[in-house]
Amino acid sequence: ETGVTQTPRHLVMGMTNKKSLKCEQHLGHNAMYWYKQSAKKPLELMFVYNFKEQTENNSVPSRFSPECPNSSHLFLHLHTLQPEDSALYLCASSQASRLARNEQFFGPGTRLTVL
Amino acid sequence: EDKVVQSPLSLVVHEGDTVTLNCSYEVTNFRSLLWYKQEKKAPTFLFMLTSSGIEKKSGRLSSILDKKELFSILNITATQTGDSAVYLCAVEVWGNQGGKLIFGQGTELSVKP
Repeated sequence: ETGVTQTPRHLVMGMTNKKSLKCEQHLGHNAMYWYKQSAKKPLELMFVYNFKEQTENNSVPSRFSPECPNSSHLFLHLHTLQPEDSALYLCASSQASRLARNEQFFGPGTRLTVL
Repeated sequence: EDKVVQSPLSLVVHEGDTVTLNCSYEVTNFRSLLWYKQEKKAPTFLFMLTSSGIEKKSGRLSSILDKKELFSILNITATQTGDSAVYLCAVEVWGNQGGKLIFGQGTELSVKP
């Protein structure tokens, strides 16, 4: 257990559905991240939140909508996805600071399949 | 554009072999380099390196960073089947908005009995 949980672990949805992924960290960190991991490709950073403020949006399509209500919770709202969005979606957290070690702790991921 | 490249992309060895995994990078505002192990689930942290030449060790795993030549290696000695995994290299860059990790493609290691 890394202290970062994600739900659901698996999700199958149609292209017209709306669903949300949830991430929660119990580490007291101030930064949270969403990554997309597709087969044979590097982990792609999608969004970064520092102290609940979005500081990075890596040219992610608007059909992905993040929400960070507090430093412990992060959501990824999904709507009208495409089959190529099928991937493993990983959440991570870290204590982002110039003075602190910044290794990120990852959740188990949500395996998303878009039909 | 920030870039992290790992080699080889995949590797098959037998138990007891020693392996060396490579990671090279070209980034601006380098802060640290990290190694993760991923076994069909969440990546788990192995090492963080910030200074050149200081070898980090944890049991049979060790890693070293060369900030002049912009690369790092991860060594695994006396490999075991439990070492089979994807090994990810990531470089932390730091900007005005804070830090983020740039990942390489990963090296898939398979250790045969």
